Amino acid sequence: EVQLVESGGGLVQPGRSLRLSCAASGFTFDDYAMHWVRQAPGKGLEWVSGISWNNGRTGYADSVKGRFTISRDNAKNSLYLQMNSLRAEDTALYYCARELWYFDLWGRGTLVTVSS
Amino acid sequence: QSALTQPRSVSGSPGQSVTISCTGTSSDVGTYNYVSWYQQHPGRAPKLMIYDVTKRPSGVPDRFSGSKSGNTASLTISGLQAEDEADYYCCSYAGSYPHFVFGTGTKVTVL
Repeated sequence: EVQLVESGGGLVQPGRSLRLSCAASGFTFDDYAMHWVRQAPGKGLEWVSGISWNNGRTGYADSVKGRFTISRDNAKNSLYLQMNSLRAEDTALYYCARELWYFDLWGRGTLVTVSS
Repeated sequence: QSALTQPRSVSGSPGQSVTISCTGTSSDVGTYNYVSWYQQHPGRAPKLMIYDVTKRPSGVPDRFSGSKSGNTASLTISGLQAEDEADYYCCSYAGSYPHFVFGTGTKVTVL
């Protein structure tokens, strides 16, 4: 089955770190760029970060630049998001998504809650 | 990286048509034909409805159509059905790959 499954979310204190993972299956992972998109409770979708198929290019939203790092391991069919210096405003459901200039495959998301 | 602007809500009766606008700038919607639209029901992941401004993925009803003029893209739902009640988001490539930007979201209500 073609799917993306996120993991690694949880409750974390402000200023701490968390690493999200996204496991891909059912398709050739290294054929695609991959992204993280988040949705704060009751709010809209926000693009967070993206990475090209070969790790050659990465990009970040201004709101997370310098704090978050996206990476991928094509041998493990996995996407990652290292989140440092977390803030309350980073509280959201984090989705990973497959990209072909549009996002055609989404995971179910993993919830990150930043609170003391 | 400002969010694309969408109306907060639109509504229509079953069978009617509704159109959702998505206004960006010459740095995103106005320059690139990489505008996509997503439907999201409560508690569910977003679903791709339109890509490359006007194209429909397999399985998406032809009641859904997309267009673009200048810095504004639009999604039209013709023959509105109860199951179309959901939140809709536009998205555009924003240059300097791999940057993208989403719209603010529109709630569609079927009266």
